[in-house]
Amino acid sequence: DAGITQSPRHKVTETGTPVTLRCHQTENHRYMYWYRQDPGHGLRLIHYSYGVKDTDKGEVSDGYSVSRSKTEDFLLTLESATSSQTSVYFCAISESSGAISPLHFGNGTRLTVT
Amino acid sequence: AQKVTQAQTEISVVEKEDVTLDCVYETRDTTYYLFWYKQPPSGELVFLIRRNSFDEQNEISGRYSWNFQKSTSSFNFTITASQVVDSAVYFCALARDNYGQNFVFGPGTRLSVLP
Repeated sequence: DAGITQSPRHKVTETGTPVTLRCHQTENHRYMYWYRQDPGHGLRLIHYSYGVKDTDKGEVSDGYSVSRSKTEDFLLTLESATSSQTSVYFCAISESSGAISPLHFGNGTRLTVT
Repeated sequence: AQKVTQAQTEISVVEKEDVTLDCVYETRDTTYYLFWYKQPPSGELVFLIRRNSFDEQNEISGRYSWNFQKSTSSFNFTITASQVVDSAVYFCALARDNYGQNFVFGPGTRLSVLP
């Protein structure tokens, strides 16, 4: 199994509060991603990173920010959580190998915004 | 724009039946990659297969097989002699190699295999 740890695994927070989710990898992979999973939508990309301090927006980036100060850590921040951000968040990693490598996912963080 | 369609939202079969999960994709790229992932009830996402756009050979892995047809932009997944443990949500995904190796996922097909 790919060494990907997401923390926390579950979180309940109130509307308007800031929330940070952490993804830690032990694989030294270049690429890291944050996805959200919602019924009927599959997995949608929030932000991704292609190296330390190199990040870019995905399909549903509004209301989210990310940071990557070390290869192994990729943080997702909800500056002011809203109920529409209630979701399951998955971190994923992939290596750069010339061809596109598969994504390997963490176990997910279930976030509830009340 | 890239898009992945999985028209079957839910499928139910009885154990030992064969079942095919459909995946249709849209892309303007000539080089791209297709993937299937499995999400069992426990919630983790498990990589099953990767196929690049230049390799149209079908692949078989045990009870699983994949049929890639560029002419119809499809990458279908067949489970032969289904088992209860195959019950899961299955996602098809499309990726192209631009700056971020962007992956686009379909909405998933929930497969229930009944005993």
